[in-house]
Amino acid sequence: DSGVTQTPKHLITATGQRVTLRCSPRSGDLSVYWYQQSLDQGLQFLIQYYNGEERAKGNILERFSAQQFPDLHSELNLSSLELGDSALYFCASSIGLAGRGQFFGPGTRLTVL
Amino acid sequence: GESVGLHLPTLSVQEGDNSIINCAYSNSASDYFIWYKQESGKGPQFIIDIRSNMDKRQGQRVTVLLNKTVKHLSLQIAATQPGDSAVYFCAENISGGTSYGKLTFGQGTILTVHP
Repeated sequence: DSGVTQTPKHLITATGQRVTLRCSPRSGDLSVYWYQQSLDQGLQFLIQYYNGEERAKGNILERFSAQQFPDLHSELNLSSLELGDSALYFCASSIGLAGRGQFFGPGTRLTVL
Repeated sequence: GESVGLHLPTLSVQEGDNSIINCAYSNSASDYFIWYKQESGKGPQFIIDIRSNMDKRQGQRVTVLLNKTVKHLSLQIAATQPGDSAVYFCAENISGGTSYGKLTFGQGTILTVHP
């Protein structure tokens, strides 16, 4: 157990819908990262927050957004869902800003029908 | 329809053998590297990391070797066990700049350990 928690574990929804994925980092970690894992793209970095502020952005679609709250938990919002958004979404956390020692949560499996 | 996906390299070993998993990284500016293990249905699990000012680092039953000249990373697992069967990913990071904590992952290698 990495100490990073994610909910829900599974999510099934329809195209055009909006979903919210939630992540709680390990105790003491200030950075939260979101990654997408799909069969054809592998593990791709989406976005990083550090102590409530966005710090790095990857190949995140405009339909996707995230935030980190004062208690340091984070949410990833996915809207106008398409079939191709079906993937595993992982949250990771680390103590600092530089990304050393990232520990991953168990992931949320999103299925868009 | 035909499924499209990454075709991961595979490595099959016998229990008790040593395993070596290789990774070619992409960016010569990368200065931090991590190996992760991912079992089916689980998130990536941290194994070991190494900074670019080192060329070798050892953990429990694992050793990571870094060759910056050819941008190559390897993970050696001693006395491989069936529980080591998983997909192994290397990841790289560039400190500073605007990338901050972004990890760039390799495609992964499937390790299968036969009893």
